[in-house]
Amino acid sequence: GEDVEQSLFLSVREGDSSVINCTYTDSSSTYLYWYKQEPGAGLQLLTYIFSNMDMKQDQRLTVLLNKKDKHLSLRIADTQTGDSAIYFCAEKADSWGKLQFGAGTQVVVTP
Amino acid sequence: GAVVSQHPSRVICKSGTSVKIECRSLDFQATTMFWYRQFPKKSLMLMATSNEGSKATYEQGVEKDKFLINHASLTLSTLTVTSAHPEDSSFYICSARNRSNYGYTFGSGTRLTVV
Repeated sequence: GEDVEQSLFLSVREGDSSVINCTYTDSSSTYLYWYKQEPGAGLQLLTYIFSNMDMKQDQRLTVLLNKKDKHLSLRIADTQTGDSAIYFCAEKADSWGKLQFGAGTQVVVTP
Repeated sequence: GAVVSQHPSRVICKSGTSVKIECRSLDFQATTMFWYRQFPKKSLMLMATSNEGSKATYEQGVEKDKFLINHASLTLSTLTVTSAHPEDSSFYICSARNRSNYGYTFGSGTRLTVV
């Protein structure tokens, strides 16, 4: 199985909050990332969190990190239709800088 | 911010031909470039890691003679799919690591279709 796991699908109504969850296995991970991918496009870095942080907020985005449970979440406040995309969490897997990605969560925002 | 320009965005080629995909870092030096392959509705699969001026390190199961990677300068890396076959059809994405920070910047991807 994958080292980074995510739920595959999330449906949310416009204006509500979205919460995307991720679990990882490498306790030595230094950075954890959230990327957004729109259809036919590359990955856009949304935010990241360093492993010694518990929480990071950046405008509508809030990242929570529970190191004990190796659980990472991304909360999107006031979700908009433009937030519909696939969201990937990733951990920095080794000293070379390789990223280990989850399978991605498809977020669909409905009016 | 850091930008990686990836070209072409879409290419259709005949079976048996070779296709070159380029990734350029526009405003930073990319000491390390990662090449990924993404299947529909799937995550990114790392194919290889290349450091400027060195041979690429390929992941297990990736044929280095089929997927040629060149990283001759700090701003340019190329992936050449040689003797392409329909099963090579996929979405290929590069990612550059900036030497000065933690960041990874992704290209916009190349949709390769081999007919």
